[in-house]
Amino acid sequence: DVKVTQSSRYLVKRTGEKVFLECVQDMDHENMFWYRQDPGLGLRLIYFSYDVKMKEKGDIPEGYSVSREKKERFSLILESASTNQTSMYLCASRSGLINEKLFFGSGTQLSVL
Amino acid sequence: GIQVEQSPPDLILQEGANSTLRCNFSDSVNNLQWFHQNPWGQLINLFYIPSGTKQNGRLSATTVATERYSLLYISSSQTTDSGVYFCAVGEGTTGNQFYFGTGTSLTVIP
Repeated sequence: DVKVTQSSRYLVKRTGEKVFLECVQDMDHENMFWYRQDPGLGLRLIYFSYDVKMKEKGDIPEGYSVSREKKERFSLILESASTNQTSMYLCASRSGLINEKLFFGSGTQLSVL
Repeated sequence: GIQVEQSPPDLILQEGANSTLRCNFSDSVNNLQWFHQNPWGQLINLFYIPSGTKQNGRLSATTVATERYSLLYISSSQTTDSGVYFCAVGEGTTGNQFYFGTGTSLTVIP
C-alpha cells in the first residue's frame, strides 16, 4: 500500500512564526497535494505539484508557499503564521495517470496562538 | 470549479442498519472517489468510481455520470463505520484538480 507520511500529528505555533509542514510519499508518485480541512467546509486545495520543482496554486494559496526539491517530498510553508491558519492540514499523493486514486497522510492539526 | 453536494450532512444509525449516502456534482468529471475519514482523521480511499457500480464487502457504490450523481451504500452497519464520508470529483486533462463535498457524518450506535 501507498504510504504518505506527515511529519507531525499536532503542532502549536505562535502568530508570526514561520511554519514548515513536511510530507513524504513512498510510491514514486508524480503528483502531490496539500489540503486544509475546516469544519463545514470540507477539504480545500492549497497547492499541488505535478513534478519536482513544479507547482500550481489551488483554491486558497494566499499565505502559503510550497517546495518540492525531491520527488518524494512536498513541503508546505506558512511564511508568517496567523490565527486563521489554525486548521487540519492533509497531504495527498497520486500517480500521474488520470484514473488513479488519491492517497492521504494522517494529517497535521496546526494551532496558531 | 465543480460544485459537490453531499447528503445527508449527518446520519445516526443503529448497528446492523443499512444506509445510502448521496453525492451530486455540477459538471462532467473524469474521476470520482469516495473516502472514509475515521475518528482519528485518517482519510481512507474506499472507491474509485467515475461510472458504474463497484462492491467491496458491505460497501458498494454506484455512479451515474450522465445524471451527475453517485451513491454509497453501507449495509449491516458496524460501529467501525462511524466517521465522515467524503465524495471527491476530479476534472481536467490531468485529473489533478479534485473538488470535495462537505461530507456526511455517520454515527453508528451499538
